[in-house]
Amino acid sequence: KAGVTQTPRYLIKTRGQQVTLSCSPISGHRSVSWYQQTPGQGLQFLFEYFSETQRNKGNFPGRFSGRQFSNSRSEMNVSTLELGDSALYLCASSLNRVGFRGEQFFGPGTRLTVL
Amino acid sequence: DAKTTQPPSMDCAEGRAANLPCNHSTISGNEYVYWYRQIHSQGPQYIIHGLKNNETNEMASLIITEDRKSSTLILPHATLRDTAVYYCIGVKNFGNEKLTFGTGTRLTIIP
Repeated sequence: KAGVTQTPRYLIKTRGQQVTLSCSPISGHRSVSWYQQTPGQGLQFLFEYFSETQRNKGNFPGRFSGRQFSNSRSEMNVSTLELGDSALYLCASSLNRVGFRGEQFFGPGTRLTVL
Repeated sequence: DAKTTQPPSMDCAEGRAANLPCNHSTISGNEYVYWYRQIHSQGPQYIIHGLKNNETNEMASLIITEDRKSSTLILPHATLRDTAVYYCIGVKNFGNEKLTFGTGTRLTIIP
């Protein structure tokens, strides 16, 4: 079974631009979560989508948004990029079986550099 | 989710057992203990989880104290490929998928 895939793997943008990152979960997984990883703040939760609905949100400004499609694929968007948005953005999917939380499977990440 | 405390770094000789401790003294009764690891430049990888009983899988063993205030992840025969940052995370069974990562333990396997 194919793992979580993220595209693109690397991205360079300049301040003020916007960016869209894509995540394809493992087949059958309905929950997709996004995380930001920086050297200073570590791994931080951005948001989680389940059945096309945002179910949980971390403490990030409104410039960070996401969505999930009917096939469970997800995108996250960052508008008006700042230098501090340079990070590894990780996507994770899970089965999210009712009544029990299974493990999350992480993709390789998209490394975003903002110049 | 419970706050977890882990030593920032540890070394272990190749072939020996690596024992990684985690303190989670504020863990609640329905909160699971999950362990993930992150090898350099890769996404985190699930290792094991447990609630009260000790657990073992093909990767590791998880020992949870009777009072559930701490746990130990055991890699029985560490290899160089086990060099990674290991995260201990408390996860409540609410049906949401938010993982709160701490700073973890950087485990270095010494040849």
